[in-house]
Amino acid sequence: EAQVTQNPRYLITVTGKKLTVTCSQNMNHEYMSWYRQDPGLGLRQIYYSMNVEVTDKGDVPEGYKVSRKEKRNFPLILESPSPNQTSLYFCASSLWVAGGPRELFFGEGSRLTVL
Amino acid sequence: AQTVTQSQPEMSVQEAETVTLSCTYDTSESDYYLFWYKQPPSRQMILVIRQEAYKQQNATENRFSVNFQKAAKSFSLKISDSQLGDAAMYFCAYPTGANSKLTFGKGITLSVRP
Repeated sequence: EAQVTQNPRYLITVTGKKLTVTCSQNMNHEYMSWYRQDPGLGLRQIYYSMNVEVTDKGDVPEGYKVSRKEKRNFPLILESPSPNQTSLYFCASSLWVAGGPRELFFGEGSRLTVL
Repeated sequence: AQTVTQSQPEMSVQEAETVTLSCTYDTSESDYYLFWYKQPPSRQMILVIRQEAYKQQNATENRFSVNFQKAAKSFSLKISDSQLGDAAMYFCAYPTGANSKLTFGKGITLSVRP
């Protein structure tokens, strides 16, 4: 089954404790991206990657890191989480065409709370 | 700055009636895709419909159709014969940053009255 898998789905942590949210896709997609969703703000892009070893900042990259060492995996790293990073996080992947992402397939979301 | 605007934060429709959700965007690209995504209470993001900007014909998927006006940069979603399961938040999205990423609107919460 074609899917994007992210873990953990729910996490409560404390300020400053490093954490990683994993993301894996089995569709051989070149393009992967992380979004955060906050009430009234819609989805905002954190980072994206157009292929292995190619990553770039989205609209709200501060406080986050990513890596793309393998095509299927795109982990999101919070080196020192703060309460303003409490949010719902989505990983997504897509084939890449000239007109942009062909169709974003989303993971089920990770609810992160930073105390 | 490239933006996408969903001006109505909430809408309501009677079951079996038709509702239109509006979206406007701003791009200088000529070839791109436009998307409507649905997010039910489960929070899962589900693709509703996709429009290719170079195609004149409006996309249709069963009860869902778009009214795409490229010159006006308008991309509205029409839901016909509304069902209770259509109640959700709906996001429109389009590529920005020279088509390198998808930018989403803030969403419209649609409720369906039985």
